Amino acid sequence: KQEVTQIPAALSVPEGENLVLNCSFTDSAIYNLQWFRQDPGKGLTSLLLIQSSQREQTSGRLNASLDKSSGRSTLYIAASQPGDSATYLCAVLYGNKLVFGAGTILRVKS
Amino acid sequence: DADVTQTPRNRITKTGKRIMLECSQTKGHDRMYWYRQDPGLGLRLIYYSFDVKDINKGEISDGYSVSRQAQAKFSLSLESAIPNQTALYFCATSKTGYGYTFGSGTRLTVV
Repeated sequence: KQEVTQIPAALSVPEGENLVLNCSFTDSAIYNLQWFRQDPGKGLTSLLLIQSSQREQTSGRLNASLDKSSGRSTLYIAASQPGDSATYLCAVLYGNKLVFGAGTILRVKS
Repeated sequence: DADVTQTPRNRITKTGKRIMLECSQTKGHDRMYWYRQDPGLGLRLIYYSFDVKDINKGEISDGYSVSRQAQAKFSLSLESAIPNQTALYFCATSKTGYGYTFGSGTRLTVV
């Protein structure tokens, strides 16, 4: 069964801290992996898309890595800000099926 | 304008009523999806369509139907709404080699 697990489930950090969110997947035959951000009651905003042939992608203070062989991806957020507070979702595309993790709820305290 | 637009944003309806949620996109993507999100259950796929003549059931299609009116339009209907269909509904689009783009969601409450 194709499953995606995100650790930790929740994280609270002081402003300015660098942090890492983890995503693991059981089946390494992925097409791509996408990180999303979701604010409470709002839609999903795409942060980074990593194709299966890529090792990492960067956008501003965000960096996502992909290690297919170990079934892991990490989302690194540098110099966190209160505005980064949200739920972060990892989603893995297997063929035509997008499988989501349960998300990490991030709170950045000012 | 948003790439993926959902209407309405919020809706309260009574049990037994028929309701339609609409989705339109300007991404030019051929694939469109409907998901629902419930606390603790994450996102679950209801229906998906890879082109205008292609409609497929997802994990939880019972009680729902869809129509792909054009490449850019994909609507979700609840034929006879029930309270456990209260959820946040999302439309999404994708294209081979690209990621998914989600709409802002429709919050549906069935009373």
